[in-house]
Amino acid sequence: AQSVTQLGSHVSVSEGALVLLRCNYSSSVPPYLFWYVQYPNQGLQLLLKYTSAATLVKGINGFEAEFKKSETSFHLTKPSAHMSDAAEYFCAVTLEYGNKLVFGAGTILRVKS
Amino acid sequence: AAGVIQSPRHLIKEKRETATLKCYPIPRHDTVYWYQQGPGQDPQFLISFYEKMQSDKGSIPDRFSAQQFSDYHSELNMSSLELGDSALYFCASSLYKAFTYEQYFGPGTRLTVT
Repeated sequence: AQSVTQLGSHVSVSEGALVLLRCNYSSSVPPYLFWYVQYPNQGLQLLLKYTSAATLVKGINGFEAEFKKSETSFHLTKPSAHMSDAAEYFCAVTLEYGNKLVFGAGTILRVKS
Repeated sequence: AAGVIQSPRHLIKEKRETATLKCYPIPRHDTVYWYQQGPGQDPQFLISFYEKMQSDKGSIPDRFSAQQFSDYHSELNMSSLELGDSALYFCASSLYKAFTYEQYFGPGTRLTVT
């Protein structure tokens, strides 16, 4: 079975500061990992994905994540936060095509001006 | 680009009533997934279909059923509605031949049971 742990249910950063959202996974086989963003009362938008190719993955809106097998981590970063980045971010894992995505509990990112 | 379409976007039902949620996947996508998201919670997987066959099943109540049709759209049928069924219901779709495993989500249907 697979699982995802997101450390920190709320993260607050100043505009222009580094964003770091943490995600650790547990899986008995090589996982496929994703980050999604959700704005209030909206659907989930795919930010980026790791599917066993490059370990450093670049996504939309300047976000990137690095897959570290030794640490079972897939942390999301962005060099400079923008006010529009304020949202809830979910890390998710799946093991097989057509099967469920298992989500972490989510991290709400607040960006202060 | 075309996205996943869900209808209706909002639905209000009374306890013990039935509800049908519809999902139209991205064109040419052959796999659909259903998730339930309660207030302040992460999405919970309900069920998925690939080429009209069930491919995975999560914690879907027996009162719920779903199917995928020949045009790949899917419907989630919910009977004997309970207050606890109030949630956002998301449909997602993907394409098997893409071999990339990501799922694309629709805007959701907000179900309120009173």
